[in-house]
Amino acid sequence: DQQVKQNSPSLSVQEGRISILNCDYTNSMFDYFLWYKKYPAEGPTFLISISSIKDKNEDGRFTVFLNKSAKHLSLHIVPSQPGDSAVYFCAASAGTSYGKLTFGQGTILTVHP
Amino acid sequence: EAQVTQNPRYLITVTGKKLTVTCSQNMNHEYMSWYRQDPGLGLRQIYYSMNVEVTDKGDVPEGYKVSRKEKRNFPLILESPSPNQTSLYFCASSLRTGRITEAFFGQGTRLTVV
Repeated sequence: DQQVKQNSPSLSVQEGRISILNCDYTNSMFDYFLWYKKYPAEGPTFLISISSIKDKNEDGRFTVFLNKSAKHLSLHIVPSQPGDSAVYFCAASAGTSYGKLTFGQGTILTVHP
Repeated sequence: EAQVTQNPRYLITVTGKKLTVTCSQNMNHEYMSWYRQDPGLGLRQIYYSMNVEVTDKGDVPEGYKVSRKEKRNFPLILESPSPNQTSLYFCASSLRTGRITEAFFGQGTRLTVV
């Protein structure tokens, strides 16, 4: 049972445009969400997070939006750059389960020059 | 430099031959975890540890063992590896600041069991 789902395996975007990566979850106990970026032959690196008490968090070109009623979050990258090409994973945790992270399947983002 | 170090990076082994993948972090983090990454399934947590001598199962613990005797080390043990454990494995660590925070990942261990 996949509790965190990224339904788009891949996304292709032109440099300078907006990239929108989506993530859905089913477990209503999740209250903290994170996005990770992964380049080939490297481990994932943390990108941005959001608590369920917020609906938006911004860090430079990256913004995460959370819609709790829809159990949906999205990552916006504006403007997209070729160096953003990577696999993006969303992850979620429940406040009662310290240390346990549940990841989505990942979305491969390709930003074309 | 803050880092999570896994060894080996690549390993090919035969079914049933016990193996250990080591993981060490130099950030004094309380939390450490092991994940496996498989195509179409993303990252799935195998085991995690909240501190020395405190471990708990993740989503896919079958066939794996862990131990946390020291804060910095969190080895993953496959007592009798099978081909379905062929995967890319990641170790991660994070601070315990009241709740989970961003995890730092190692570079991965690609394991092939034949």
